[in-house]
Amino acid sequence: QVQLVESGGALVKPGGSLRLSCAASGFIFRDYYMSWIRQAPGKGPEWISYIDESSSTVYYAESVKGRFTISRDNANNTLYLQMDSLRVDDTAVYYCAREIVVVAAWGQGTLVTVSS
Amino acid sequence: SYVLTQPPSVSVAPGQTARLTCGGNNIGRKSVHWYQQKPGQAPVLVIYDDRDRPSGIPERFSGSNSGNTATLTISRVEAGDEADYYCQVWLSGSDHPGVFGTGTKVSVL
Repeated sequence: QVQLVESGGALVKPGGSLRLSCAASGFIFRDYYMSWIRQAPGKGPEWISYIDESSSTVYYAESVKGRFTISRDNANNTLYLQMDSLRVDDTAVYYCAREIVVVAAWGQGTLVTVSS
Repeated sequence: SYVLTQPPSVSVAPGQTARLTCGGNNIGRKSVHWYQQKPGQAPVLVIYDDRDRPSGIPERFSGSNSGNTATLTISRVEAGDEADYYCQVWLSGSDHPGVFGTGTKVSVL
């Protein structure tokens, strides 16, 4: 079955950096768009980034553009999110998700807390 | 940017029907997807493309979409249906393509 397992979440100070990973299994990773969706405490989900199968097309929400970088390693079935210049309002659970348009497969999420 | 508005909360007795709305400008022209999220868990897709159910989702969950309102209907509500529900659309070509609604908390009395 489809499995998405995120890792890398932590407590970090404002201005710091973090790299999230998402290990995918149970499907042909290289055939799918992949997304990162985050959810701040008590808020609804926010679609922040996606990447196409070959890494030729990427999208960033305005809230993270210029600070976050999405990438993927198709040989190792892994999705990444490099997060730089972190701000307090980046505090959220970060979900790895398969596909764009509609998400039928989500990871369990990893918590990123930005606080001094 | 496109806004999807949902009532913050809906309360329903077991066995009754819950109707959750999702308002957006001409949302009837878009495909709407619905997610259920229980505390501490990732969202689960319960309806896609307005009215289709993924495998494993009970027939009690149904959807409709017309005009400026999409609706998720939960029939014969059970205690296990207590959760947050989010609607979502995809706006191809937009600067902000993936839009989620504000969410509705369903409480089973």
